[in-house]
Amino acid sequence: GAVVSQHPSWVICKSGTSVKIECRSLDFQATTMFWYRQFPKQSLMLMATSNEGSKATYEQGVEKDKFLINHASLTLSTLTVTSAHPEDSSFYICSARRLAELAKNIQYFGAGTRLSVL
Amino acid sequence: GEDVEQSLFLSVREGDSSVINCTYTDSSSTYLYWYKQEPGAGLQLLTYIFSNMDMKQDQRLTVLLNKKDKHLSLRIADTQTGDSAIYFCAESLTGGYQKVTFGTGTKLQVIP
Repeated sequence: GAVVSQHPSWVICKSGTSVKIECRSLDFQATTMFWYRQFPKQSLMLMATSNEGSKATYEQGVEKDKFLINHASLTLSTLTVTSAHPEDSSFYICSARRLAELAKNIQYFGAGTRLSVL
Repeated sequence: GEDVEQSLFLSVREGDSSVINCTYTDSSSTYLYWYKQEPGAGLQLLTYIFSNMDMKQDQRLTVLLNKKDKHLSLRIADTQTGDSAIYFCAESLTGGYQKVTFGTGTKLQVIP
């Protein structure tokens, strides 16, 4: 159990366009989902935390108007990179957490999305 | 804030044991995790331990926690080529509103 699906796995887009990434919990309800960014050979940087039905909480330095997060249901969160530029190219990973595991803060990760902006 | 440190690289021969080390800074009650990341993939939770425990074993994996030195280790017995990956140590204070802080990751290379 605890499978998280992320789609697409790889996307190439032109500068100035918007890209939407989906994160789904397939076999559990995720009250909280997280979005991370990972640079090559580096650790994960938390971008935002999203709770179902409420606005996402963004980390300091992350532009909320550029990285739009929607968590409309208990199994789906989306990250939209608006007006993408080459510096937005990165590996984006989502994770999801079950309410029952809130205290332990156990997160289940998607396979990641590699975004390349030309 | 929390800080998690790991060595960057470890190379072992197939069949040997691997020991990946991690140090953390927070002294409060905390959960500590080990995640595995294969190339181009997300993170897979391997195991976790609460800070009131000294050791946890799960098949080939043994986690040791030295609270005094704030040192966490992951031992992989009988390392296989399929264990080649990046291993992340992570820490979270108790309570769901805390962030998980990840280490820089240790790349494990298993030589056949």
